[in-house]
Formats: sequence, C-alpha cells, structure tokens
Amino acid sequence: DQQVKQNSPSLSVQEGRISILNCDYTNSMFDYFLWYKKYPAEGPTFLISISSIKDKNEDGRFTVFLNKSAKHLSLHIVPSQPGDSAVYFCAASGDDKIIFGKGTRLHILP
Amino acid sequence: NAGVTQTPKFQVLKTGQSMTLQCAQDMNHEYMSWYRQDPGMGLRLIHYSVGAGITDQGEVPNGYNVSRSTTEDFPLRLLSAAPSQTSVYFCASSSLLAVYNEQFFGPGTRLTVL
Repeated sequence: DQQVKQNSPSLSVQEGRISILNCDYTNSMFDYFLWYKKYPAEGPTFLISISSIKDKNEDGRFTVFLNKSAKHLSLHIVPSQPGDSAVYFCAASGDDKIIFGKGTRLHILP
Repeated sequence: NAGVTQTPKFQVLKTGQSMTLQCAQDMNHEYMSWYRQDPGMGLRLIHYSVGAGITDQGEVPNGYNVSRSTTEDFPLRLLSAAPSQTSVYFCASSSLLAVYNEQFFGPGTRLTVL
C-alpha cells in the first residue's frame, strides 16, 4: 500500500525552463508535506515543506503547491539550473512517521 | 558540528552474519530514524525513536533491531543478514519540534549481503 506516490521516475527539462515534479498521497491524516533532494552517494537534504493548512509555500526558486481535495502536491523550480539535476523525494508526515515516495530523477539539459 | 555520521560507509557480509550499523548525531535531536533505499523503491522507514529508551517500528522492520540508550546514538542491528537486506541505509535525525519539517540525513552505508 503506497501512501505517497511519485508516478514519474524521471523528468528532463531544459536549463532556464520550469521543472514541475508531482506527488500524490492517499492518507488524509498527513499534516506536513516535504521535498528532499538527493545527489548520488550523499544523503537526502531538505528542500522545502508545506503545512496541510496552506496551499502554497515559496522559497527562492522553489515553490510547493498543495491541493488537499485532490491529495496532490507539486514542486516548481524556476528557473531550472544544472545543479538542480538530482533525485527529488516527496514525503508526507503524520503520526510520528515520515513516508517517502519513490523519487523522481530530474535531468536539467544544457 | 559533524551533523549525522554513519559508519561504516561500505560493508560486505555473508548470509547469516550479524553486524551493527552505527549512527550518531551531535545536534541534541530527540528524533532519529533509519531508512533503506532500494532501486525503484524510494526511502522506506525501518525503525524510529522519539527519545532515549523509546523506539518503534516503521514500514519494513523485519530483520532489524534498534535501541536508543543515549540521545546521540541510534545503532541498527542485523542479527542474521540476508541477501534481501542488500541496500543503502540512511540514518536521520531532527528536533521533535521540527520532525515534520527538516530531517538531517547521514551520508549512508552501502551494505551488500552475499
């Protein structure tokens, strides 16, 4: 039973354009949603989060949107840069646990 | 601050062997957790702890034991390694006030079970 789903294993985006990564969840009890970024041979690093009481959170080039009725969140990166090439994990938290999706590998093309 | 440290970085075991993966943090975080990352499976929670003396199971706890005798350390024990436990293991920690926000991850331990 996959509670957090990232249905796109990979995504390629031209440098300078917008990258949009999507995530769906099934448990209405989740109260925080997070995005982590992971480079090869390193641990994940926190990128941005959003509370379930909000629908948008912005931090520089990164914006997370939450649609609670659709149980869907997305991460927008504008403009995309070469250093953004990494695996992005969506995560949802509640009941003392944090559940991660399978990740989306983002390739920024020159 | 060293942050979250994990040892060893790499380990090869034979089926049936036991070992302990070490994890330590110097940020005085109450919350610590262990994840495994497998190709196409993302990060799956093995065990977690909300403080010294308190541990609980995550999504995939079978075959692993943990204990939390101090705030700083959260070792993960494999009592009898199996090939299905070949994976990359990440330890993470966070403040209980921020557990729903930022977790700090260690660099990972790559384990191969033959």
